[in-house]
Amino acid sequence: DAMVIQNPRYQVTQFGKPVTLSCSQTLNHNVMYWYQQKSSQAPKLLFHYYDKDFNNEADTPDNFQSRRPNTSFCFLDIRSPGLGDAAMYLCATSRDGTSIDEQYFGPGTRLTVT
Amino acid sequence: GDSVTQMEGPVTLSEEAFLTINCTYTATGYPSLFWYVQYPGEGLQLLLKATKADDKGSNKGFEATYRKETTSFHLEKGSVQVSDSAVYFCALSEAARGNKLTFGGGTRVLVKP
Repeated sequence: DAMVIQNPRYQVTQFGKPVTLSCSQTLNHNVMYWYQQKSSQAPKLLFHYYDKDFNNEADTPDNFQSRRPNTSFCFLDIRSPGLGDAAMYLCATSRDGTSIDEQYFGPGTRLTVT
Repeated sequence: GDSVTQMEGPVTLSEEAFLTINCTYTATGYPSLFWYVQYPGEGLQLLLKATKADDKGSNKGFEATYRKETTSFHLEKGSVQVSDSAVYFCALSEAARGNKLTFGGGTRVLVKP
């Protein structure tokens, strides 16, 4: 089945220690998104790639970076995680990023910062 | 700017009860509307969508109708099951705002046997 895969499902990192979360997709979609979801809240878009074009949200902290080396993979780098960065991180894809396009979500990576 | 407001939960129901989750939106243009569902410990899954006024989206016994006159997209199911226990998110996407999803706050639904 075509899908969005996130690894690892659970990640523990120390305060200030860089961490990378990964996402891969077999859907061959053009657009990949990263969301942050804190407990009992709606997902918050951090940034997205349309093909190789990176689009950052205005309120995404500089601490969060992303890489998309090819169509299938996208990475979220947190350079110096703080306690407030503990959250579920969701990767999603869409075919063309139009308003009628649905987004396909991965299962998420739950990040704990100690 | 765009916004989505949905009823706060938790909503607790007995099996086979009728479920309604209200959702209203504010948008500058003509958005597409979505309902996503999130089961415990998982990512979001699209439940249904509607892309223009008066469209009805339906899936797995759930329905929602795009009502432009009342800017609403209420989710309904006639007979819920325990397996419908989840968090439900209403969302919109609008071309004028880069097709980004704007989510409501989510509604937790708990169905008891």
